[in-house]
Amino acid sequence: DAGVTQSPTHLIKTRGQQVTLRCSPKSGHDTVSWYQQALGQGPQFIFQYYEEEERQRGNFPDRFSGHQFPNYSSELNVNALLLGDSALYLCASSFGAGNEKLFFGSGTQLSVL
Amino acid sequence: EDQVTQSPEALRLQEGESSSLNCSYTVSGLRGLFWYRQDPGKGPEFLFTLYSAGEEKEKERLKATLTKKESFLHITAPKPEDSATYLCAVQSNNAGNMLTFGGGTRLMVKP
Repeated sequence: DAGVTQSPTHLIKTRGQQVTLRCSPKSGHDTVSWYQQALGQGPQFIFQYYEEEERQRGNFPDRFSGHQFPNYSSELNVNALLLGDSALYLCASSFGAGNEKLFFGSGTQLSVL
Repeated sequence: EDQVTQSPEALRLQEGESSSLNCSYTVSGLRGLFWYRQDPGKGPEFLFTLYSAGEEKEKERLKATLTKKESFLHITAPKPEDSATYLCAVQSNNAGNMLTFGGGTRLMVKP
């Protein structure tokens, strides 16, 4: 049973560019949440998608946007990249939007130069 | 605003030397407190959920406890493979489904 898969694993971009990160949830899961983890810190909630809609959003600017597809997979888009966007981006899936037991992927390490 | 503070930031133990990690939290109505383990280059792995003060959960050498203001993760006779970052997170009544994480405790167990 495949767990949460994320692609790519590593990415290098320059300031001002745009990036798209992808996530496939664990089999049987229908909800995807995205978190940003800066080096040495705990993850910070970006947003959650359920039934192809953004259900909840954390304290992130609208440069951060997302999408969920009918097969429950999800994308995270970041526009106008800043140096401070360099971080590990984690995708977590669950069954049901209110289910707190999250399964995390290994993340995408984004470096902005 | 929900807040979670973990201490110590880093902890070095000898194999077999038991200790505890602390997670202090401030929330408006706790729905749940979570412990995760994170290995380098990996995503967090779920360990425990605690819902109310006085609750305890155990898994192998780990035991999590909860009071109204903090949680402890007790590690009994740790082994080198217990080395990881341990993250604490809360879910509150006012914050929907999001988890608010602490900064983590980096645990190193030396043989």
